[in-house]
Amino acid sequence: DQQVKQNSPSLSVQEGRISILNCDYTNSMFDYFLWYKKYPAEGPTFLISISSIKDKNEDGRFTVFLNKSAKHLSLHIVPSQPGDSAVYFCTGETSGSRLTFGEGTQLTVNP
Amino acid sequence: DAGITQSPRHKVTETGTPVTLRCHQTENHRYMYWYRQDPGHGLRLIHYSYGVKDTDKGEVSDGYSVSRSKTEDFLLTLESATSSQTSVYFCAISTIRSYEQYFGPGTRLTVT
Repeated sequence: DQQVKQNSPSLSVQEGRISILNCDYTNSMFDYFLWYKKYPAEGPTFLISISSIKDKNEDGRFTVFLNKSAKHLSLHIVPSQPGDSAVYFCTGETSGSRLTFGEGTQLTVNP
Repeated sequence: DAGITQSPRHKVTETGTPVTLRCHQTENHRYMYWYRQDPGHGLRLIHYSYGVKDTDKGEVSDGYSVSRSKTEDFLLTLESATSSQTSVYFCAISTIRSYEQYFGPGTRLTVT
């Protein structure tokens, strides 16, 4: 049972444009959703989160939107920079700080 | 950066041999986790610990055991390694008050 799903394995955008990464989930018990960013040969690093009672959270160039009725969230990066090229994981958090990860989306930002 | 180290960083071993991976933290965080990362699966939780000697299973715990005798160390053991356990293993830590987890650099394990 894939509780968190990222349907796009890869995404390529031009520098300066918007990157939109999508995520769908099935578990209504998630309290928080988090996005992690991962560079090759490194561990994932926390990027941004959103509470299940919110519909938007913004942090600089990064904004996460949550649509609970559709069980869908998205991460917007504006403007995209070459240093944003990485794998992005969508995760859902349940009580006890347990994270459930999606499969990841490889973002490539072309100069 | 959160003070998390993993050892070894790379290991090649043969099928049937025991393997132990170590996660060490300097943050005194209560929660520690072991994940494996495989193509098409993201990261999957193997085991986690919510205190010294307190551990529980994750979604892919078969074939793995863990121990935590000190706050700073969390060991993952493959009693008899199989080729299906070839993967990249990540350790993570978190505090009791935060859902955010901090990850170590990973251990690449190859079972031949």
